[in-house]
Amino acid sequence: AQKVTQAQTEISVVEKEDVTLDCVYETRDTTYYLFWYKQPPSGELVFLIRRNSFDEQNEISGRYSWNFQKSTSSFNFTITASQVVDSAVYFCALSERETSYDKVIFGPGTSLSVIP
Amino acid sequence: DTGVSQDPRHKITKRGQNVTFRCDPISEHNRLYWYRQTLGQGPEFLTYFQNEAQLEKSRLLSDRFSAERPKGSFSTLEIQRTEQGDSAMYLCASSLDIAAPYGYTFGSGTRLTVV
Repeated sequence: AQKVTQAQTEISVVEKEDVTLDCVYETRDTTYYLFWYKQPPSGELVFLIRRNSFDEQNEISGRYSWNFQKSTSSFNFTITASQVVDSAVYFCALSERETSYDKVIFGPGTSLSVIP
Repeated sequence: DTGVSQDPRHKITKRGQNVTFRCDPISEHNRLYWYRQTLGQGPEFLTYFQNEAQLEKSRLLSDRFSAERPKGSFSTLEIQRTEQGDSAMYLCASSLDIAAPYGYTFGSGTRLTVV
């Protein structure tokens, strides 16, 4: 069965600090997608990134970077030089070919507070 | 295009009443999804449509729930005989193609409170 674990329920950092949000997933499928979404206080989920299981290259987009390691089934997300606008709940998610790519399973989320 | 629209934003209803929510996806998106999110949890998959065909339903979707997408455009989610446990945020999302290098576009959700 597919499962996504985000062990950090809440994190607080001071502005300009770096922060890493952990994500560990479980799947028996060899073909799957991993996602990160951001849910700011306004409530609307915003797509951040999608990776497929065959692409383990780390990715950087501005202050955001993602570290995908199949050996540890992890897909961690790092925000560099955090800003107050980064305060939100962040969800890691997984969809696999076997059960349907269209059925995305979300983790419980990590609430990030960036303090000015 | 203004994105995915959901109506209403908030709904308070008495237990036992029926409620219906509407979702208007991005016009060229052929896939439409319904998710439910309770406080402090991640969204849970309910069902999805490809065009007008409902292709998958979660076990969470009891027989009191029904979803339609009559012409492959907007969708409705109806809950009959609401229960307090139905209180949640109901999220709609749409996408063009599962193979596209992006995820879903979500709407702002409909927050249902059953009293």
